[in-house]
Amino acid sequence: DAGITQSPRHKVTETGTPVTLRCHQTENHRYMYWYRQDPGHGLRLIHYSYGVKDTDKGEVSDGYSVSRSKTEDFLLTLESATSSQTSVYFCAIRPDRPMNTEAFFGQGTRLTVV
Amino acid sequence: AQSVTQPDIHITVSEGASLELRCNYSYGATPYLFWYVQSPGQGLQLLLKYFSGDTLVQGIKGFEAEFKRSQSSFNLRKPSVHWSDAAEYFCAVARNQAGTALIFGKGTTLSVSS
Repeated sequence: DAGITQSPRHKVTETGTPVTLRCHQTENHRYMYWYRQDPGHGLRLIHYSYGVKDTDKGEVSDGYSVSRSKTEDFLLTLESATSSQTSVYFCAIRPDRPMNTEAFFGQGTRLTVV
Repeated sequence: AQSVTQPDIHITVSEGASLELRCNYSYGATPYLFWYVQSPGQGLQLLLKYFSGDTLVQGIKGFEAEFKRSQSSFNLRKPSVHWSDAAEYFCAVARNQAGTALIFGKGTTLSVSS
């Protein structure tokens, strides 16, 4: 258990509404990531963070923004949700020592945009 | 940029038979390589990882993988499959630097027949 909590675990929202997903970790790791998982696409990187206020875009960042004002929290916001953003969202952390450490994942948030 | 290819979308294996899941990566140097497993409705669990040294790595649940630099491959194997191995398997690559994001393949779904 890497101490990662995602909330909410399930959410249904309407097209055009803003949505924020939260990832909370208890171990003060610098590196945090948001992925989305879709059938036939595997996990795709949305955004990542190397520390407080240090974030960058991943492969599929359009329509998403992130914020990291505290080490322990990494928020993913859909400014105006669309049906194409219906997905399962996973947060991950990766300890920076040793360098070869794997990523640890939260349990996921299933988001449905109707 | 790194990329990962898992050529097989779906594989069916008889219980007790051997298994090999293929993974090819694209990266200029020796990357960090990972195999994860995901049971239906669950999060991702690390099976094994490679970063240097012995090219045959052992993982949990009786899995092993072999790194072949000349073929840019990191294939996952198991000598005798159990019904509980039915799941989705993901190969992932990361640059050999601290904290870099894992890039995932699209996954291979394993079905086990009795």
